[in-house]
This record gives sequence, structure tokens and C-alpha cells, in this order.
Amino acid sequence: KAGVTQTPRYLIKTRGQQVTLSCSPISGHRSVSWYQQTPGQGLQFLFEYFSETQRNKGNFPGRFSGRQFSNSRSEMNVSTLELGDSALYLCASSAEVAGELFFGEGSRLTVL
Amino acid sequence: AQSVTQPDIHITVSEGASLELRCNYSYGATPYLFWYVQSPGQGLQLLLKYFSGDTLVQGIKGFEAEFKRSQSSFNLRKPSVHWSDAAEYFCAVGAQGSQGNLIFGKGTKLSVKP
Repeated sequence: KAGVTQTPRYLIKTRGQQVTLSCSPISGHRSVSWYQQTPGQGLQFLFEYFSETQRNKGNFPGRFSGRQFSNSRSEMNVSTLELGDSALYLCASSAEVAGELFFGEGSRLTVL
Repeated sequence: AQSVTQPDIHITVSEGASLELRCNYSYGATPYLFWYVQSPGQGLQLLLKYFSGDTLVQGIKGFEAEFKRSQSSFNLRKPSVHWSDAAEYFCAVGAQGSQGNLIFGKGTKLSVKP
């Protein structure tokens, strides 16, 4: 069974631009969560989607948004990029009952 | 508020020595507890989890952890460390019904001396 796939793996943007990251969960998993990982703040929860509905949201500004499609694939978008948005963005999927998160390898965003 | 503390930022052990990584949590109800490992440039891999039942939990790669409610701790142990165990280890706490929303500790980086 294929794991969680995130694209792109690496990207460089400039301040003020916007970015979209994609996540394909493990087949059969309907829950997708997003995390931001930085050296200073560590791993922080962004949001969780289940069956195309946002179920939980972390404490991030409205510039961070996401969505989930009917096939459970998810995207997150960051608008008006700031230098502080440079981070590794991790996506994780889970089967609802198991409660275990399976993480992708992440998308590393650098904002110049 | 929920929180997870990993007191040790960096630990160095000799190959073959035993290992214990500390984790303390703050949570109002019975928590779901996890240990994840992250190698450089990689995502996180689940080592083990505690939901309920036996407080000593066995995981992959020879790791185990013990849940101690009285101490709000969930320490990770391994009897004999291998060079391939060098990585960063994260403890996390989650809530029932919100498994996608985990609170992570800041991590402990493990170095292994030959």
C-alpha cells in the first residue's frame, strides 16, 4: 500500500506570493491533517479534514487555508507569504478508528 | 491547556548502551500518547502508541514506553541502541475523537557514538 504522498517536495517562493501544497493520503484513509514544522516552534497543528469538512483548526492566521476533495486528497494554501512561513509542511492521514497518523515526507517551503 | 515537555534537547549514547527519553504531558482526561521518530529530511514514523490498557507498550525497532499516570509521564526506552537509531524523537498527546490534532513536544535529538 502506497504511503502518504506530498508534492512538491521542495519549493522556493518570495514574500507576498502564494503557494499550494498537495497531499494524497493512504488509500482508504479519510482523515488528513496538516502540520508546520520549524526549528523554533517545532511541530504545530494547522488543520484536519475529514470527508471534505474541516474538523479541527490550529492557531494560524487566515492566510493558511486548506481543503479536501471527494477522493480524500487534500491541498493547503498559504497566501501573502512571509519569511516566517519558511518551514517543512507535513501532511498525515489516518483511518478514523485507528487514530494513528501516517506522515508524508513533507514539503519544504523557503520564502525569500 | 494540553502540553508536552521533552526535557532533553540532545542526548548522546554509545552504541549498545541503554536509552531512555523523557516525556511529560499535561492533559485533563485520559490521553492518547504517541512516540514518533524523524530521520533527517524525512517525515515522522510512529514508534508506538498508548490508548488504554497495559501501561507498558511495545513498539517497533525494539522500543517500549511506559505510561505513568501519577507522574504524567510516557518515557521511551530501548535496552540496546544501534547506530541507526540516531534521529529526532517526538512525544505527542492527542484527544479521543480528534486524533488528527496532536500536540507535539519539541523533540529530543539522539546521537549514537560508535
